[in-house]
Amino acid sequence: AQSVTQLDSQVPVFEEAPVELRCNYSSSVSVYLFWYVQYPNQGLQLLLKYLSGSTLVKGINGFEAEFNKSQTSFHLRKPSVHISDTAEYFCAVSRDDKIIFGKGTRLHILP
Amino acid sequence: NAGVTQTPKFQVLKTGQSMTLQCAQDMNHEYMSWYRQDPGMGLRLIHYSVGAGITDQGEVPNGYNVSRSTTEDFPLRLLSAAPSQTSVYFCASMGDGGPGSEQYFGPGTRLTVT
Repeated sequence: AQSVTQLDSQVPVFEEAPVELRCNYSSSVSVYLFWYVQYPNQGLQLLLKYLSGSTLVKGINGFEAEFNKSQTSFHLRKPSVHISDTAEYFCAVSRDDKIIFGKGTRLHILP
Repeated sequence: NAGVTQTPKFQVLKTGQSMTLQCAQDMNHEYMSWYRQDPGMGLRLIHYSVGAGITDQGEVPNGYNVSRSTTEDFPLRLLSAAPSQTSVYFCASMGDGGPGSEQYFGPGTRLTVT
């Protein structure tokens, strides 16, 4: 069965420091991969997605992710975080008609 | 465009009561879905629909019914509410570019079952 694993439930990071949020997926066939962000008390919105082509994907708000087929990973990175990046981040995979989400990683920005 | 709208925003039910969570979208999207969000569990797919008249089960369908009589609306019915259904419910619709398209989420309905 296809699944998505987010390796960290919470990640604390100092403001202006870099961050990496980890995501691994299990699938032996082509998949579409996404990162969504949920700000406090809001719905989810798309940060970026990988469909095919270049393995480095750039998204909104300075985020980027790298698709690594051999490691079945799709880690999200930002070189310098801001207090406004405080949110929960969800990795998701799409196959057939279903979009399956990971359990989320809560990003805490420390002053 | 209003995007994806959900009503109500908050609801408290007693065990055994039934209710319908409403979801509507004005983007003419064929694909719609319902998720529940619980702490530490992420979003879990309840039901989804690829078009009017077509629905299918997701990861956690038990206790929920859906129907899709129009492209715009995708209501979620709780037939006999249980405390385990206390959760935040999100409706989403997806653009028509196929499975790689972006999902657009509603603001959510916070449901408490006592």
